Amino acid sequence: AQKVTQAQTEISVVEKEDVTLDCVYETRDTTYYLFWYKQPPSGELVFLIRRNSFDEQNEISGRYSWNFQKSTSSFNFTITASQVVDSAVYFCALSEGYQKVTFGIGTKLQVIP
Amino acid sequence: DAGVTQSPTHLIKTRGQQVTLRCSPKSGHDTVSWYQQALGQGPQFIFQYYEEEERQRGNFPDRFSGHQFPNYSSELNVNALLLGDSALYLCASSLDDPNEQFFGPGTRLTVL
Repeated sequence: AQKVTQAQTEISVVEKEDVTLDCVYETRDTTYYLFWYKQPPSGELVFLIRRNSFDEQNEISGRYSWNFQKSTSSFNFTITASQVVDSAVYFCALSEGYQKVTFGIGTKLQVIP
Repeated sequence: DAGVTQSPTHLIKTRGQQVTLRCSPKSGHDTVSWYQQALGQGPQFIFQYYEEEERQRGNFPDRFSGHQFPNYSSELNVNALLLGDSALYLCASSLDDPNEQFFGPGTRLTVL
């Protein structure tokens, strides 16, 4: 069975600090997809990134970067120079091919001005 | 191009009642998935519809049922509502690649 663990339930940082959100996953499949979503207070899930299991290359998009390590089954998300607008709940998720998407419990990030 | 839309936005029901939630997928998308998100939790997969049939189902009782119409829109029905059914219900749509899902704003259901 697939499982996603986000051990950090809440994180508070001061604006402009860097912050890393951890994600550890479990799956028996060799082909799978990993995601990060952002959920602002409005409630709508916003897609941030998708990674397939064959692509371990790290990715950077502006202030966001992702570190995918199959050896440790982790897919961590770093926000550089955090801003107040980054305050939200962030979900890591896992999908095994044409299967349901399993979400973690989420990490609530609060960026303090 | 409209994204995923859901109706209603909010809904209040009492225990034992039945409810129907609606979802219109992003234009051109043919696959619709439903999720339940309880307060403080991550979304939980309910089921997925493709070509008007339920393709995948999560660990939810038969009280939860759905339907997909020829225009790809979808409904989620919940019978015999329980207090524990209070949650945000999210609809997601995709095309071909079910992993590239776009989420709607959700329907917040409160059961009293």
